[in-house]
Amino acid sequence: AQSVTQLGSHVSVSEGALVLLRCNYSSSVPPYLFWYVQYPNQGLQLLLKYTSAATLVKGINGFEAEFKKSETSFHLTKPSAHMSDAAEYFCAVTGRDDKIIFGKGTRLHILP
Amino acid sequence: DTGVSQDPRHKITKRGQNVTFRCDPISEHNRLYWYRQTLGQGPEFLTYFQNEAQLEKSRLLSDRFSAERPKGSFSTLEIQRTEQGDSAMYLCASSTLSGGPYEQYFGPGTRLTVT
Repeated sequence: AQSVTQLGSHVSVSEGALVLLRCNYSSSVPPYLFWYVQYPNQGLQLLLKYTSAATLVKGINGFEAEFKKSETSFHLTKPSAHMSDAAEYFCAVTGRDDKIIFGKGTRLHILP
Repeated sequence: DTGVSQDPRHKITKRGQNVTFRCDPISEHNRLYWYRQTLGQGPEFLTYFQNEAQLEKSRLLSDRFSAERPKGSFSTLEIQRTEQGDSAMYLCASSTLSGGPYEQYFGPGTRLTVT
């Protein structure tokens, strides 16, 4: 079985500051891991995915995430926050059954 | 590639009424998924199809819920005798079996409000 825990339901950062959104996973099989972003009243857009290749994964909009098996973590980072990054972010995991299990989400607020 | 589309985008209904939502996946995608997202939560898996076959249903999918995917193209999700607890965003996603891992592409969702 798989599960995801996102630490912090709300995170606020200043424009230009580092963004760090935390995600820890649990999986009984080698996982595939994802980060999705959701803007208000919209569906989910894939930011990046880990597919058991490189542990540092680069995604769209300057985001990246690092898979750390020893820490069962897949934290999302961006060096410099933009106002347009304000949204809800979901970490997700899937095993081999292709069913995605989502975390509860972290709402990112960007302070001017 | 026009993406996954869902119709309607918003639906307001009175308790006890039946509602039906439609999802049109990306044309070459043979897998189609339904998720439900309530306020402040991540999406929760409801069911999925491979072509026209419904392969798995979550225990969240009560007897009042039924999903179909005739001919392996679009899908419908029907909720009978709606309850206020059914108020949520219903998301559809599609993926292709080839070239895994299976990346799911999401539609914009249908927001259901039961009054």
